[in-house]
Amino acid sequence: DTAVSQTPKYLVTQMGNDKSIKCEQNLGHDTMYWYKQDSKKFLKIMFSYNNKELIINETVPNRFSPKSPDKAHLNLHINSLELGDSAVYFCASSLYSYEQYFGPGTRLTVT
Amino acid sequence: AQKITQTQPGMFVQEKEAVTLDCTYDTSDQSYGLFWYKQPSSGEMIFLIYQGSYDEQNATEGRYSLNFQKARKSANLVISASQLGDSAMYFCAMREGLNTDKLIFGTGTRLQVFP
Repeated sequence: DTAVSQTPKYLVTQMGNDKSIKCEQNLGHDTMYWYKQDSKKFLKIMFSYNNKELIINETVPNRFSPKSPDKAHLNLHINSLELGDSAVYFCASSLYSYEQYFGPGTRLTVT
Repeated sequence: AQKITQTQPGMFVQEKEAVTLDCTYDTSDQSYGLFWYKQPSSGEMIFLIYQGSYDEQNATEGRYSLNFQKARKSANLVISASQLGDSAMYFCAMREGLNTDKLIFGTGTRLQVFP
């Protein structure tokens, strides 16, 4: 009974490729998020969706595109991957503005 | 200016002792929320405790308590009776205002508990 799940857990790919990370939550939450954690462990929000509507869109290259097919899913697609995209990407969800519950993270390595 | 400041990059504590992890914040909003998360070496982010700006009492969750000093804009995490499993990174975060879900995180404190 995983609450917030992400696939894949690890992703190794070459520069220039396009990749997607999937996220699903079974908590009945209405808001989902993508965060990026860099090599120094700094965590920064990228996007949030509320009921499939984009709410937060931080200063993120437009190579990153989130897609929310329904309230329980939020996927992250990245085009033309660059070395600097290497990081851990976390999906999270929350109900209203209460605490956010995080997925296990996806470690992306771009070579 | 940093919105969330965690001045302790690393802390050591002996098992069974209490430890305080510092967090100061900067906001001009009257309504805000403060959160602490734990990130063990396995990598997941675990929610620990929440304090709302209008909460009059300090939040507590088991061995975790939040020492909220509004005038000083500090929200320190106190872990009582430390356990070896408490060794992890700890992040303080803030949500500003009522109409946003955006969490702003501090740089984290690495806590190591030794026997």
